[in-house]
Amino acid sequence: DTGVSQDPRHKITKRGQNVTFRCDPISEHNRLYWYRQTLGQGPEFLTYFQNEAQLEKSRLLSDRFSAERPKGSFSTLEIQRTEQGDSAMYLCASSSITGSAGGNTIYFGEGSWLTVV
Amino acid sequence: QKEVEQDPGPLSVPEGAIVSLNCTYSNSAFQYFMWYRQYSRKGPELLMYTYSSGNKEDGRFTAQVDKSSKYISLFIRDSQPSDSATYLCAMSAGNNNDMRFGAGTRLTVKP
Repeated sequence: DTGVSQDPRHKITKRGQNVTFRCDPISEHNRLYWYRQTLGQGPEFLTYFQNEAQLEKSRLLSDRFSAERPKGSFSTLEIQRTEQGDSAMYLCASSSITGSAGGNTIYFGEGSWLTVV
Repeated sequence: QKEVEQDPGPLSVPEGAIVSLNCTYSNSAFQYFMWYRQYSRKGPELLMYTYSSGNKEDGRFTAQVDKSSKYISLFIRDSQPSDSATYLCAMSAGNNNDMRFGAGTRLTVKP
């Protein structure tokens, strides 16, 4: 499978616990994105990496959220002290600067569902 | 007003019908326009992208962009039950973090 891979696919956690999601992008893609999607809404941008550099963070990404891409390959998104409002699907996506539309077409993984109880 | 407006539906059509899905937007800087298909509890799947104005056809799917009206459309010909999904429009000015999505239109194609 050469698509974007996310793990775990589903996570149920108690409020106040920390959770971490992992994303493995398409191997030749140097750009990696994290989005959040709630029911009935489109994906909302959280943060973006080019190689290992985190170049942009949305104001949606509170201090409890941290993302890393240590070697410019896989990425992790950690949520500390989870709240019920964090319940959503967290989507990872990747693109290549040399890809379609100059890298402006992004390819999503299957998402990681988070439920905070 | 949201930057991208999309009628959430739901839209229900009989098999074989022509489906028209639309989005309007307010940011005139958008120049890349995408359509994604999302099945229930799955990630969005890229269907088509278009740069600037014009039409693009791919099999049963046709994407149209009218930048003067800030209006984009996706047409599905000979719709099939397997087309039942949520369709998301997305658009970007060409910067890496500025892609904006519509809320998605939920489509059901009945056999």
